[in-house]
Amino acid sequence: NAGVTQTPKFQVLKTGQSMTLQCAQDMNHEYMSWYRQDPGMGLRLIHYSVGAGITDQGEVPNGYNVSRSTTEDFPLRLLSAAPSQTSVYFCASSIIPLREDLLGQETQYFGPGTRLLVL
Amino acid sequence: DQQVKQNSPSLSVQEGRISILNCDYTNSMFDYFLWYKKYPAEGPTFLISISSIKDKNEDGRFTVFLNKSAKHLSLHIVPSQPGDSAVYFCAASAHWGGSEKLVFGKGTKLTVNP
Repeated sequence: NAGVTQTPKFQVLKTGQSMTLQCAQDMNHEYMSWYRQDPGMGLRLIHYSVGAGITDQGEVPNGYNVSRSTTEDFPLRLLSAAPSQTSVYFCASSIIPLREDLLGQETQYFGPGTRLLVL
Repeated sequence: DQQVKQNSPSLSVQEGRISILNCDYTNSMFDYFLWYKKYPAEGPTFLISISSIKDKNEDGRFTVFLNKSAKHLSLHIVPSQPGDSAVYFCAASAHWGGSEKLVFGKGTKLTVNP
């Protein structure tokens, strides 16, 4: 049971390049999400998915695309990278809906992060 | 418009003393609150949570208090240990029976000095 995995760990891009950040989970969670963490800004939700074939926008979706063709995978695509997208990206998966018997337990698991630098 | 606020970017305490991290929220629809701990170069990890039907939840050295009327929660760590040094994020969720969207605060960096 690997939990939530992210690749790559670190990436340098030039402005205008495209890339895909990979995220996979082996816990059969329906809910997956992408966050970005910037200094002084905390964690901000980019996109999320409540199940295969269903995605929705979070707080800061511009410049990013997602798809959810399987329960396990939730890739994040940058079609034309910009310096403003320099950040650390975290993928997370969750048990939904939360049930009363799960209250107090860990229900959202984060991956180790991808550090992206856009020059 | 920040719905979850952690107004102290940093906190420094002595080993063995109490650490109190504060969090305020503005949306009265939030009914589930969580604290996450994050070490450098790692993803956040769950620490403790509380439902809005409670005002206190305790797990070992960690206690979370919720004051719904003030829309305020706090995390108490007693006694603080150097290994507790990390960034702590407060998060809030609305209607846990449906689609979950966690809203995070900006985090508080806790330093526990030996």
